[in-house]
Amino acid sequence: AQKVTQAQTEISVVEKEDVTLDCVYETRDTTYYLFWYKQPPSGELVFLIRRNSFDEQNEISGRYSWNFQKSTSSFNFTITASQVVDSAVYFCALSPNTGNQFYFGTGTSLTVIP
Amino acid sequence: DTGVSQDPRHKITKRGQNVTFRCDPISEHNRLYWYRQTLGQGPEFLTYFQNEAQLEKSRLLSDRFSAERPKGSFSTLEIQRTEQGDSAMYLCASSLGRGSFGGELFFGEGSRLTVL
Repeated sequence: AQKVTQAQTEISVVEKEDVTLDCVYETRDTTYYLFWYKQPPSGELVFLIRRNSFDEQNEISGRYSWNFQKSTSSFNFTITASQVVDSAVYFCALSPNTGNQFYFGTGTSLTVIP
Repeated sequence: DTGVSQDPRHKITKRGQNVTFRCDPISEHNRLYWYRQTLGQGPEFLTYFQNEAQLEKSRLLSDRFSAERPKGSFSTLEIQRTEQGDSAMYLCASSLGRGSFGGELFFGEGSRLTVL
């Protein structure tokens, strides 16, 4: 079974605080891809990052960083020095190599308060 | 703008009517997906095309739903005899698949359906 769990439904932080969004996944596939998407109030899902299951290196891109740990089946996303423009719903997604579906979590709604 | 475009953006219809949504993917993308998203949920997979071939359909896709992608370009999603439970945002996404990896999805802005 393929499943993505985002246990945090809503998070509020004050601007400039750091925030981590959790993602836990389940799959029996040995090769798979993990993604994060951002859905701002306008509604369009925006691709942020992709990782494959063989690459556990953490990645940093500006204020964003991702921590992929196969041992705990987690792919967490951290925003440092949050800004109001970061307010959105963030989705974690899994795509196993054996199929063409993407399995999305239920999303975490982030509100950054000025 | 050469992103994924969807039309119409909003559709209000009465129960029992048929509706059709159109999606124009990014031109060089060979894969096209339809997803459905309801409030507070993540997108749920409906169906997927590689070029003009519909290769996968979700069990969520009842017989009232049909999708086509003639000539491997734009796609249409038709819902016949709409029900109130069909009210949702219908998302189209495209990707450039290479080998077994389908590529990251690029989404359109969605078509919001309200069934009265």
